[in-house]
Amino acid sequence: QVQLQESGPGLVKPSETLSLTCTVSGVSVTEHYWNWIRQPPGKGLEWIGNIYYTGSTNYNPSLKSRVTFSVDTSKNQFSLSLSSVSAADTAVYYCARDLGTGIVLLDPWGQGILVTVSS
Amino acid sequence: DIQMTQSPSSLSASVGDRVTITCRASQSISSYLNWYQQKSGQAPKLLIYIASSLHSGVPSRFSGSGSGTDFTLTISSLQPEDFATYYCQQSYRAPYTFGQGTKLEIK
Repeated sequence: QVQLQESGPGLVKPSETLSLTCTVSGVSVTEHYWNWIRQPPGKGLEWIGNIYYTGSTNYNPSLKSRVTFSVDTSKNQFSLSLSSVSAADTAVYYCARDLGTGIVLLDPWGQGILVTVSS
Repeated sequence: DIQMTQSPSSLSASVGDRVTITCRASQSISSYLNWYQQKSGQAPKLLIYIASSLHSGVPSRFSGSGSGTDFTLTISSLQPEDFATYYCQQSYRAPYTFGQGTKLEIK
């Protein structure tokens, strides 16, 4: 059974960098693309981007200048770094596997982690 | 970016009702359309992919249809556990955008 778990600080100060990690169990991170999605409180879903274990990435152009993904195959984890955060980056951040081959099917998702940007 | 528009934004229905939610893309996305269900306080779950394929473990009362720009999600007979928010998502071209969601509430 594949499971994903997000971890990281729940509070980040404005202008600082948000860093989250997703720990994968039940499958190797070398076998799929891995995605980050976020959801501001009470709002809809925004795809942030994805990464393959080779380092190949796709970023949402709306965040591309501030976001970086990485993969640690030894720990079976992948990570998100978002710089220069503001209150607009307050959201629940989810990680998810891309189950598809050539198409994007997000399954399963982690439980999500709420990150609040505030001083 | 491809814009996804769902209607209605909210919907009240009763157990046993047949419900249809619509999703429209701003350009043709062939059949690259997925549907997710999100219950309060939980992560979304994949229901349907490639417009009409039922994901493993999803009850057969859920069905999807459409191609091009217009898609529908139908629940044939609402069950209490189906009250949730539903999102469509296009997987045709990055960034893989979502609809704004349809909140299905108990009447």
